[in-house]
Amino acid sequence: SYVLTQPPSVSVAPGQTARITCGGNNIGSKSVHWYQQKPGQAPVLVVYDDSDRPSGIPERLSGSNSANTATLTISRVEAGDEADYYCQVWDSSRDHSWVFGGGTKLTVL
Amino acid sequence: EVQVVESGGGLVQPGGSLRLSCAASGFTASSYSMNWVRQAPGKGLEWVSVIHSGASTYYADSVKGRFTISRPYSENTLYLQMNSLKTEDTAVYYCARVGSGSLYRAGFDIWGQGTVVTVSS
Repeated sequence: SYVLTQPPSVSVAPGQTARITCGGNNIGSKSVHWYQQKPGQAPVLVVYDDSDRPSGIPERLSGSNSANTATLTISRVEAGDEADYYCQVWDSSRDHSWVFGGGTKLTVL
Repeated sequence: EVQVVESGGGLVQPGGSLRLSCAASGFTASSYSMNWVRQAPGKGLEWVSVIHSGASTYYADSVKGRFTISRPYSENTLYLQMNSLKTEDTAVYYCARVGSGSLYRAGFDIWGQGTVVTVSS
């Protein structure tokens, strides 16, 4: 099955830019979605179809996707951005299923 | 308000069964692809199952043959019948809707708060 690889953790100081990567074989040909999950809460969709944002998601969060890496970029990081972030793709090669990355813990220093 | 609310979790012995429910409001569940996603304690998200608007169903290999997803036409509710439960099925189970538009471009735009399933003797 298709595998998505994320770094376990990323740390950034407030006001700086955080970049969370999601690696996969030719992931640039797929549509990537990103979720934010805070402790004890359900995941929230923050980016879909590589770079689109649902209503209510700040422009500070943006996505890109090319070749073998998709990236979620969080600009001007705030304390409230501290959370786990997951990437996701549709795996059409595997009996119509979705695949999640292992998740990245974003720590705001 | 568009939302989904899960229920039915609890403690069950290995080999036992449990049925989870996901009540949808503010939209017609049968018009969307609806999923179950689980999260084991301290672990990441794992996709479990989907039922599409056309009623076709698909499962993760880890639950195939043991879990059944359904969505009765007369109800705005999604179910997950879980049989032959194993300790590794212990997790928070979330119900999630695929957003409007292309199936693979939409993402899961509505999630419930989750229901806890614990499989233990």
